[in-house]
Amino acid sequence: QLQLQESGPGLVTPSETLSLTCTVSGASISNTNYFWVWLRQSPGEGLEWIGSVHYSGSTHYNPSLKSRLSISVDTSKNQFSLNLSSVTAADTAVYYCARQGKKPVAGVFYSGLDPWGQGTLVTVSS
Amino acid sequence: DIQMTQSPSSLSASVGDRVTITCRPSQAINTYLNWYQHKPGKAPHLLIFGASNLQSGVPSRFSGSGSGTDFTLTISSLHPEDFATYFCQQTYILPWTFGQGTRVEVK
Repeated sequence: QLQLQESGPGLVTPSETLSLTCTVSGASISNTNYFWVWLRQSPGEGLEWIGSVHYSGSTHYNPSLKSRLSISVDTSKNQFSLNLSSVTAADTAVYYCARQGKKPVAGVFYSGLDPWGQGTLVTVSS
Repeated sequence: DIQMTQSPSSLSASVGDRVTITCRPSQAINTYLNWYQHKPGKAPHLLIFGASNLQSGVPSRFSGSGSGTDFTLTISSLHPEDFATYFCQQTYILPWTFGQGTRVEVK
């Protein structure tokens, strides 16, 4: 059964870099059919799509975070990672990782996120 | 970015009730709309993709409809395990965006 698990520091100092890793178990991350995604939910806010990575290294980033963001993949460890630099209190959130697949319906391919990790709370504070 | 307006933000219902949640994107997104269920402390769970297609393993009491700028998630008869938060997501164009969520609570 495919499972994703986020890991990383729960507390990050303002202006530093937030680094998280998502470990994929139960399947290989090196599957051409999937992208691997980071999302977050700040307190009282809706979900925000951060960005995604393919095992080939191809990435897509949210323009609102792009200047501070790096997402990478380590196929040898079956992991992908998030680095967000120059963090502020506004980056305090529960961070989730997820797998993005495509499902064909009558010749149309729809993307969906399944499964997700349980999420990890990251607080930015001094 | 496409703004997703979801309503209501919360509702109170009883087991057996029919529940309807609405999602309206700020621009037309064809049928590139997903619905998820989220319980506290657990991973969100894909229910519906492509506006009306049931994800494998999801009970048939869940259904989705709509296209363009008007979408609906319906639970035909609420079960005890359905008390959760539900949110919509557009996958029409990056960056993908989400509704604020609808919390379904016990009446």
